[in-house]
Amino acid sequence: KAGVTQTPRYLIKTRGQQVTLSCSPISGHRSVSWYQQTPGQGLQFLFEYFSETQRNKGNFPGRFSGRQFSNSRSEMNVSTLELGDSALYLCASSTTGGQGQDGYTFGSGTRLTVV
Amino acid sequence: QKEVEQNSGPLSVPEGAIASLNCTYSDRVSQSFFWYRQYSGKSPELIMSIYSNGDKEDGRFTAQLNKASQYVSLLIRDSQPSDSATYLCAVASSGTYKYIFGTGTRLKVLA
Repeated sequence: KAGVTQTPRYLIKTRGQQVTLSCSPISGHRSVSWYQQTPGQGLQFLFEYFSETQRNKGNFPGRFSGRQFSNSRSEMNVSTLELGDSALYLCASSTTGGQGQDGYTFGSGTRLTVV
Repeated sequence: QKEVEQNSGPLSVPEGAIASLNCTYSDRVSQSFFWYRQYSGKSPELIMSIYSNGDKEDGRFTAQLNKASQYVSLLIRDSQPSDSATYLCAVASSGTYKYIFGTGTRLKVLA
């Protein structure tokens, strides 16, 4: 059973640019969640999608956006990058999206560095 | 007050000892609790989940939940150097569609 696939693994961007990250969940999982991980703040919730609908969004500026496609693959976009956006971005796949007992399976993450 | 609190550590234990990792949470309606292990440079992996008060055992791992005290813990018996990692506590509440993570406890098992 294939795991959660995130692409790209590493990314270096310049301030002011935009970036798109991709996540393919485990087959059959309809929920995709995105988290930002930094040394100081830990794992911070960005948003969750289920069957193409965003059901929850974290406290991030509007520069952070996402979407989910009919095949459950998800993308997140960050526009007008700032130095503080440098982080590990993790995608998590699950059947229910934080409900019940199934737990998340995380992808390997995308390490974004903004210079 | 943080929603999910963990001691950042490092918690150092000798090989073969029991490691005890603790987590407190603030939302009384939290329903699902998870422990993740994260090795340096890797993504978190699920170790245990617990939903009912009491203990849940899986191999060398035991999760303990006390909803009245808003406290969840993870015990690792016969700790091995390969258990050295950061352990993240996560809490979920019904209808929020998200986990809230603690900042993690770094565990070091000394050979």
